[in-house]
Amino acid sequence: QVQLVQSGAEVKKPGASVKVSCKASGYTFTSYGISWVRQAPGQGLEWMGWISAYNGNTNYAQKLQGRVTMTTDTSTSTAYMELRSLRSDDTAVYYCAREVFGVVMRAMDVWGKGTTVTVSS
Amino acid sequence: IQLTQSPSSLSASVGDRVTITCRASQGISSYLAWYQQKPGKAPKLLIYAASTLQSGVPSRFSGSGSGTDFTLTISSLQPEDFATYYCQQLNSYLLTFGGGTKVEIK
Repeated sequence: QVQLVQSGAEVKKPGASVKVSCKASGYTFTSYGISWVRQAPGQGLEWMGWISAYNGNTNYAQKLQGRVTMTTDTSTSTAYMELRSLRSDDTAVYYCAREVFGVVMRAMDVWGKGTTVTVSS
Repeated sequence: IQLTQSPSSLSASVGDRVTITCRASQGISSYLAWYQQKPGKAPKLLIYAASTLQSGVPSRFSGSGSGTDFTLTISSLQPEDFATYYCQQLNSYLLTFGGGTKVEIK
């Protein structure tokens, strides 16, 4: 079945970097994009950015420009999200999601279970 | 593009009809999706293209609207529907979510 499996929880100190992985299975990886969405404790959903698994093109949310990098490894059908210069307000659950961006259907139709990233000194 | 959801929370009883609205700061055609999220779980896609039900989603869920004003309706609220609902615009390559609507038991 189609699924996205994310890496485990991380605890980082302020100023450090974190890299979260998202392994896809059950579909042709390069036919879709991957979006990353985060959710701070008790807060709503925040879109972080998107990467095309076909050609590696990216779009990032303006507030994260310069701190976030999204990549893919098509040989292992895995997407990665690296966030640098971590601050306490980066503490959140980070989700990857398969993104369909067609003429008719545009949505995030498959989601990973989330990776908790805690930033604390 | 900003999305404003209302209300931010509501209390309802099983069997009630529930309507949630989502307003975009500029026109987004019909590129709007709705998601349901339960505590500790990932969001689940309910509706895309403003009104198309995702496969497997119960028919008591429906969506409508285009341009800037959209609604999500649950025709008869069931116990498993108590959750938080988010709208999302996908008109541009920079996506945004609404602030969410928490549906609680009255």
